[in-house]
Amino acid sequence: GQNIDQPTEMTATEGAIVQINCTYQTSGFNGLFWYQQHAGEAPTFLSYNVLDGLEEKGRFSSFLSRSKGYSYLLLKELQMKDSASYLCAVKDSNYQLIWGAGTKLIIKP
Amino acid sequence: ETGVTQTPRHLVMGMTNKKSLKCEQHLGHNAMYWYKQSAKKPLELMFVYNFKEQTENNSVPSRFSPECPNSSHLFLHLHTLQPEDSALYLCASSQGAGESHEQYFGPGTRLTVT
Repeated sequence: GQNIDQPTEMTATEGAIVQINCTYQTSGFNGLFWYQQHAGEAPTFLSYNVLDGLEEKGRFSSFLSRSKGYSYLLLKELQMKDSASYLCAVKDSNYQLIWGAGTKLIIKP
Repeated sequence: ETGVTQTPRHLVMGMTNKKSLKCEQHLGHNAMYWYKQSAKKPLELMFVYNFKEQTENNSVPSRFSPECPNSSHLFLHLHTLQPEDSALYLCASSQGAGESHEQYFGPGTRLTVT
């Protein structure tokens, strides 16, 4: 079966750095996405990785290792507004998105 | 502003009611999606439309009936639902279904079945 694993919940301190991991087992691979979802709101696109390596976008970076079936989302200089759920999703060989259950990130002052 | 709107935002219905959810995208995309989001569970893909044609139906019960009259509008018709159907229903769109484009989501309809 197809599976995406990510931690259920993480806590970090304002101003710090946090890394949210995602491991996947899918039939084929056509890219990995990270989305942010604030409570009661729509998921919004953060990043896309299809090749191995690090993609940096401001305070957020995303890393991919296809051979290990592994990705992480790195958030720097955490702000209170970063409190949200972070969803990892992989496009399989049929270009269907397989979603993880999301990681709820709690930022403390 | 995501360019994808959904109405209503909240809906309470009895098990014998018939209601419809509406989604509209203003992004010029060709693919539209319905997802179900339940607490602490992964997003469940329900239906995919690409250029108005349904390309995916992930074993969704027939009490959920999608309709896509054009590339900008998507409906989900509901009838004789069960309490376990209570969830957040999200609509999304993307440039195309068979490609690696990101999806843009609407704010969702919070559905409660009593």
